[in-house]
Amino acid sequence: EAQVTQNPRYLITVTGKKLTVTCSQNMNHEYMSWYRQDPGLGLRQIYYSMNVEATDKGDVPEGYKVSRKEKRNFPLILESPSPNQTSLYFCASSLVPNTEAFFGQGTRLTVV
Amino acid sequence: AQRVTQPEKLLSVFKGAPVELKCNYSYSGSPELFWYVQYSRQRLQLLLRHISRESIKGFTADLNKGETSFHLKKPFAQEEDSAMYYCALSYILTGGGNKLTFGTGTQLKVEL
Repeated sequence: EAQVTQNPRYLITVTGKKLTVTCSQNMNHEYMSWYRQDPGLGLRQIYYSMNVEATDKGDVPEGYKVSRKEKRNFPLILESPSPNQTSLYFCASSLVPNTEAFFGQGTRLTVV
Repeated sequence: AQRVTQPEKLLSVFKGAPVELKCNYSYSGSPELFWYVQYSRQRLQLLLRHISRESIKGFTADLNKGETSFHLKKPFAQEEDSAMYYCALSYILTGGGNKLTFGTGTQLKVEL
């Protein structure tokens, strides 16, 4: 089944403890991106990747890192999480940006 | 800067009433526009895109370049239409490549 898989689905962590949210797609898509969803603010792009080893900042990249060593994987790294990064995170992939984006199930992160 | 505006955070209609979810964009080039939907506890999924000019679940959206709008319409709302709707714009970056950006979303509530 073609899909985007994120892990974990839920995560509670403490301020400053490094964490990684994984994202994997099995559709051989080139374009992948991370969004955070906050009430009243909608979906805001954190980082995106046009292809392997090609990543770029989105609209709210501060406090996040990403890597794209393989086409299928696009992990989101929070080196030192802070409470303002408490949010619902979505990974998405598409063949190219102007085609249908497929989304993961979401990761609800709480930083205390 | 390119952006997508959805002026209504919440739209409440009665079952059987017409629905119009507003979306305006700012982009000087040729836009690629999409509507995504997020049902309760489900991942975001594509509802329709302007280039396909099709009707999905009774919804249609027409691109109006003069008014820079891409409003989503349905003549008769159904209870199962209750969901969060996002308008999205795909555009070409100055340095090459594409980017997909979302509006803040409109929560549609269909009441009996």
